[in-house]
Amino acid sequence: NAGVTQTPKFRVLKTGQSMTLLCAQDMNHEYMYWYRQDPGMGLRLIHYSVGEGTTAKGEVPDGYNVSRLKKQNFLLGLESAAPSQTSVYFCASSFGTTPFLYNEQFFGPGTRLTVL
Amino acid sequence: KNQVEQSPQSLIILEGKNCTLQCNYTVSPFSNLRWYKQDTGRGPVSLTIMTFSENTKSNGRYTATLDADTKQSSLHITASQLSDSASYICVVKGGSGYSTLTFGKGTMLLVSP
Repeated sequence: NAGVTQTPKFRVLKTGQSMTLLCAQDMNHEYMYWYRQDPGMGLRLIHYSVGEGTTAKGEVPDGYNVSRLKKQNFLLGLESAAPSQTSVYFCASSFGTTPFLYNEQFFGPGTRLTVL
Repeated sequence: KNQVEQSPQSLIILEGKNCTLQCNYTVSPFSNLRWYKQDTGRGPVSLTIMTFSENTKSNGRYTATLDADTKQSSLHITASQLSDSASYICVVKGGSGYSTLTFGKGTMLLVSP
């Protein structure tokens, strides 16, 4: 039982390049989330999904796109990377009939992204 | 605006000592408060959740308290161990929807031998 895994662990991009971060969970969770974590700031929600084929915007969605084609996978895309997107990105998943209520979120190990 | 303030920002204690971390929030209405532990280079892991009716809850050497009237929570760590060195994040859930999940910036705890 691997829990939540993220690929890759580290990446360096040049401004304008694109990339996709992959998140996978094997806990059969309905809900999945993408966060970014910057020094001196709390975790901020980028996008989330309440089920296969559905996505929704979070607090800081600009510059990112997501897809949830399979229940176990949640992809985060950067179409044209900018230095402001340098951050550590965390994926999380949870059970529940209602997102964000009592449901514990299980986090992946993170992806450290640097945009030059 | 919903806010979660944690103090201190960072803390160094000797192994075996106790410490208390604080979380003050202005989230309204209040649903629950969760404490996460985040080891360096890892994702956060839930330690405990406090709902409106709960005052104290323990998880091993970790004890969380909640005062819903003053909108304060604390996380007390007893007999600290080197493995307690981590960032501790307070997360408060308000009403419905994603926008009412507010994360604190965390308290960085270093347990020194």
